[in-house]
Amino acid sequence: KQEVTQIPAALSVPEGENLVLNCSFTDSAIYNLQWFRQDPGKGLTSLLLIQSSQREQTSGRLNASLDKSSGRSTLYIAASQPGDSATYLCAVSTLGGGYQKVTFGIGTKLQVIP
Amino acid sequence: GAGVSQSPSNKVTEKGKDVELRCDPISGHTALYWYRQSLGQGLEFLIYFQGNSAPDKSGLPSDRFSAERTGGSVSTLTIQRTQQEDSAVYLCASSSRQSNQPQHFGDGTRLSIL
Repeated sequence: KQEVTQIPAALSVPEGENLVLNCSFTDSAIYNLQWFRQDPGKGLTSLLLIQSSQREQTSGRLNASLDKSSGRSTLYIAASQPGDSATYLCAVSTLGGGYQKVTFGIGTKLQVIP
Repeated sequence: GAGVSQSPSNKVTEKGKDVELRCDPISGHTALYWYRQSLGQGLEFLIYFQGNSAPDKSGLPSDRFSAERTGGSVSTLTIQRTQQEDSAVYLCASSSRQSNQPQHFGDGTRLSIL
């Protein structure tokens, strides 16, 4: 059974700092890995999706890396801003029966202090 | 619609009552998923629909939980004889049929059982 762990559970940083969020998973036979953002009372917004054949994806100030063999991914946020404050979820998917089964981590709650 | 729509956004009910949660997926998305997010827990998969059929309902926690989808569009998740442990945020996601496409999430229904 796939298990996804995110470290740290919570993080508080001053504005402008670069930061790294970590995700690890137990079964390396994944189809893709996705990072989501969740604001309070809201659903999930997809940030970056990395296919299993890829090693990283970038979008603006965000960079996500994937090391499938070691079961690890990192989300790097450059020059953090107060608007980045949210919970960040890592999700890994496997293919079976023609659809993606997704397993989520509990998330890292980020607070960026102005 | 432009995104996945869920209703109600909040529901408070007494223990023992039945509740019905609704999900309206993105137009044209044939795959639909229900998840549960309990306090301090990761998202927990409940059920997957492809069209009107549910090839994977392995995540439904008990026979008090059921879901249906009609017309390949709107889905309802029904919880009978609610218990306090059913209190959670229930999230719905949809995706296109292609298995490599990401899931798009609604804002969820926050269910509180008194």
